Amino acid sequence: GNSVTQMEGPVTLSEEAFLTINCTYTATGYPSLFWYVQYPGEGLQLLLKATKADDKGSNKGFEATYRKETTSFHLEKGSVQVSDSAVYFCALGGYQKVTFGTGTKLQVIP
Amino acid sequence: EAQVTQNPRYLITVTGKKLTVTCSQNMNHEYMSWYRQDPGLGLRQIYYSMNVEVTDKGDVPEGYKVSRKEKRNFPLILESPSPNQTSLYFCASSLAGVSEQYFGPGTRLTVT
Repeated sequence: GNSVTQMEGPVTLSEEAFLTINCTYTATGYPSLFWYVQYPGEGLQLLLKATKADDKGSNKGFEATYRKETTSFHLEKGSVQVSDSAVYFCALGGYQKVTFGTGTKLQVIP
Repeated sequence: EAQVTQNPRYLITVTGKKLTVTCSQNMNHEYMSWYRQDPGLGLRQIYYSMNVEVTDKGDVPEGYKVSRKEKRNFPLILESPSPNQTSLYFCASSLAGVSEQYFGPGTRLTVT
């Protein structure tokens, strides 16, 4: 079946540092890939998505590229802010099931 | 406003007492699903529904039931809750499994 593996946290960065959160997947068919963000005490909301190989999703300074050759969808941001502190989930949307990674907690300190 | 609603938001119950968590969406989405979130395990899909009267098991369906009699509603039923079902539950809807999921606010369930 499908699976998603993302780097374990927590990740602690200073403000304005570069962020990378790794995500790799295994899948059959042609899934879509997503990054969701969960702020403290809230539900999940979509951060960005990519629906096919080589697509780049971007939003709020975050980017991720759907790499079929390396089965990866790493999340990056050039300069993080304190307000980016949250839990980030990589997810794979298949025709039927949706599979999430275990989440990576990011803490950005001033 | 497009939204997914869940009720109740918080629930404390005892082992074996049947309960239902309701979920409703107003976006005319065909795909709905339930997840549980546990520390270190991320979100795991319990059940999903691709359309009215079409439901199927996700990765952790044991101890749960669902029904989809109307497009907008997808209740989660725990017929005999046990302490290992203590968790944070999210309902979500989307156009399809490959589409962006819209999440409800979550239901925190404690089973003693």
